[in-house]
Amino acid sequence: EAQVTQNPRYLITVTGKKLTVTCSQNMNHEYMSWYRQDPGLGLRQIYYSMNVEVTDKGDVPEGYKVSRKEKRNFPLILESPSPNQTSLYFCASRPGTGGMNEQFFGPGTRLTVL
Amino acid sequence: DQQVKQNSPSLSVQEGRISILNCDYTNSMFDYFLWYKKYPAEGPTFLISISSIKDKNEDGRFTVFLNKSAKHLSLHIVPSQPGDSAVYFCAASAVYSSNTGKLIFGQGTTLQVKP
Repeated sequence: EAQVTQNPRYLITVTGKKLTVTCSQNMNHEYMSWYRQDPGLGLRQIYYSMNVEVTDKGDVPEGYKVSRKEKRNFPLILESPSPNQTSLYFCASRPGTGGMNEQFFGPGTRLTVL
Repeated sequence: DQQVKQNSPSLSVQEGRISILNCDYTNSMFDYFLWYKKYPAEGPTFLISISSIKDKNEDGRFTVFLNKSAKHLSLHIVPSQPGDSAVYFCAASAVYSSNTGKLIFGQGTTLQVKP
């Protein structure tokens, strides 16, 4: 089944404790992206990647890191989480890097930073 | 600055009637528009899209209308069914002027279809 998977689905952590949210897709998509969803703000892009070893900042990159060492994986790293990073996170992917832009989303990771 | 706005946080309609969800945008560079549906505890799923060269796109019960002069789009669901109850996000993209693939989302509208 074609899908985007994320782990963990739920995570409660404390300020300053490094964490990684994994994202994997099995559709051989070149493009992957991370979004966060907050009440009243919709989804906002954090980082995106056009292909392996090619990443760039989205609208809200502060406090996050990403890497793209393999085509299928795009982990989101929070080196020192803070309470304002409490949010619902979605990974997305799509084939190619241009043209129409239907993105496939993972199931989401709900992160709480105490 | 919210470039894509869904001004109605919620909408309730009766089963079998039409649901109309609205979306406004401010950036004239947007040239591709999408609607996503989201159920609780799931990721958004793509529903329907429209390019700026069109003013209407239809897929079964779902039709999206685009009014470029008013910078407004709407999603019509006819007839509405209880399974359509979900959060609907409008999204916009500048496909031909930018290669970032970024989708700009609205705040979402929660649709409830009553049996």
